[in-house]
Amino acid sequence: DGGITQSPKYLFRKEGQNVTLSCEQNLNHDAMYWYRQDPGQGLRLIYYSQIVNDFQKGDIAEGYSVSREKKESFPLTVTSAQKNPTAFYLCASSTRTDDFRGYTFGSGTRLTVV
Amino acid sequence: AQSVTQLGSHVSVSEGALVLLRCNYSSSVPPYLFWYVQYPNQGLQLLLKYTTGATLVKGINGFEAEFKKSETSFHLTKPSAHMSDAAEYFCAVSESQAGTALIFGKGTTLSVSS
Repeated sequence: DGGITQSPKYLFRKEGQNVTLSCEQNLNHDAMYWYRQDPGQGLRLIYYSQIVNDFQKGDIAEGYSVSREKKESFPLTVTSAQKNPTAFYLCASSTRTDDFRGYTFGSGTRLTVV
Repeated sequence: AQSVTQLGSHVSVSEGALVLLRCNYSSSVPPYLFWYVQYPNQGLQLLLKYTTGATLVKGINGFEAEFKKSETSFHLTKPSAHMSDAAEYFCAVSESQAGTALIFGKGTTLSVSS
């Protein structure tokens, strides 16, 4: 079955470390997104990509970086510049056709700074 | 700029009672509107969507929502709550263009008591 896979499910980061969250989809979707979820704040957009080798900053891009070298993959790096990275991170994908049906979400990665 | 307001961060109902979760949006162009549900430590699952056509939209698990342009609302309802409906619910809006990033509300946690 087609879907979107995030790994790892849980991730622990030491102060000053960079960590990379994986997101892979086999839905043949063109667009992919990263959101951060904090209690009571809903989902906030970090980065999104509508096509390979192109991506745009969302509302809270500072301290994060992404790449889109393949259609199937959209990894997110949380850099040491992100001062408060503890959160639940969600990856999503969608079509770019006129038949836009919303997003398909992964099951998330919970990142904790230790 | 688009925005979504979910009225009430927490709603409590008894099993069998009506569920009403409120969502108001702001958009300068015809919107696409969505409701998602999230269970603890999981990704978001699409409940229903409005893109064009009929303004009363039926979704999964007995939920439905009505798009009211004059009120800029897209409230979610279910005639009879079940214990399994306890979760967090998110309303989202996007411009009616393919691939546009969704803007999410802050979420409403639904509790169901027996």
